[in-house]
Amino acid sequence: GQQLNQSPQSMFIQEGEDVSMNCTSSSIFNTWLWYKQDPGEGPVLLIALYKAGELTSNGRLTAQFGITRKDSFLNISASIPSDVGIYFCAGGETSGSRLTFGEGTQLTVNP
Amino acid sequence: NAGVTQTPKFQVLKTGQSMTLQCAQDMNHNSMYWYRQDPGMGLRLIYYSASEGTTDKGEVPNGYNVSRLNKREFSLRLESAAPSQTSVYFCASPRQGNTGELFFGEGSRLTVL
Repeated sequence: GQQLNQSPQSMFIQEGEDVSMNCTSSSIFNTWLWYKQDPGEGPVLLIALYKAGELTSNGRLTAQFGITRKDSFLNISASIPSDVGIYFCAGGETSGSRLTFGEGTQLTVNP
Repeated sequence: NAGVTQTPKFQVLKTGQSMTLQCAQDMNHNSMYWYRQDPGMGLRLIYYSASEGTTDKGEVPNGYNVSRLNKREFSLRLESAAPSQTSVYFCASPRQGNTGELFFGEGSRLTVL
């Protein structure tokens, strides 16, 4: 099946720093989504991307759908302690199809 | 904030025991999914149900069975638990309209000794 490579696996940063993470695939996806999972909770959608080249922001978060449709990145600006958690990318082959998830990026923010 | 509700939140089993994880959604969605989450492996699809009365295998179905009891409820059963099934299990339901957005439950943490 489809596989997504998400990097980095973990990040340790200081409060106020910017963060960048990305996902790549050997196959094309037509939908890219980014989720965050707080400790002890289920993942929650942060940003959804539906068009190649699309750049979308949600507060301090910005995500882009790569032109090749094989990658996506997520940036977090001016990190704060509550940004701690696991961030997952997910790709969908067609609108409404089942998602393939990346391995996750564990983010730790030191105050 | 209901959405997707899972029970139990925690369970410890001995090898060979059976148990059922329950999931209910109050969003009137057609589809429901079961995932397992293991460190460094993301979320892997076990089984899914596209509509009431239908179920299909996902990426890692071996050792599991499911039942779509009605539109609201989708249960996951382990008939003979194995240590390899120690994991966190998530039930999810996609938003109607093919956006790809999934709503997740809070998870069920299962340990098999």
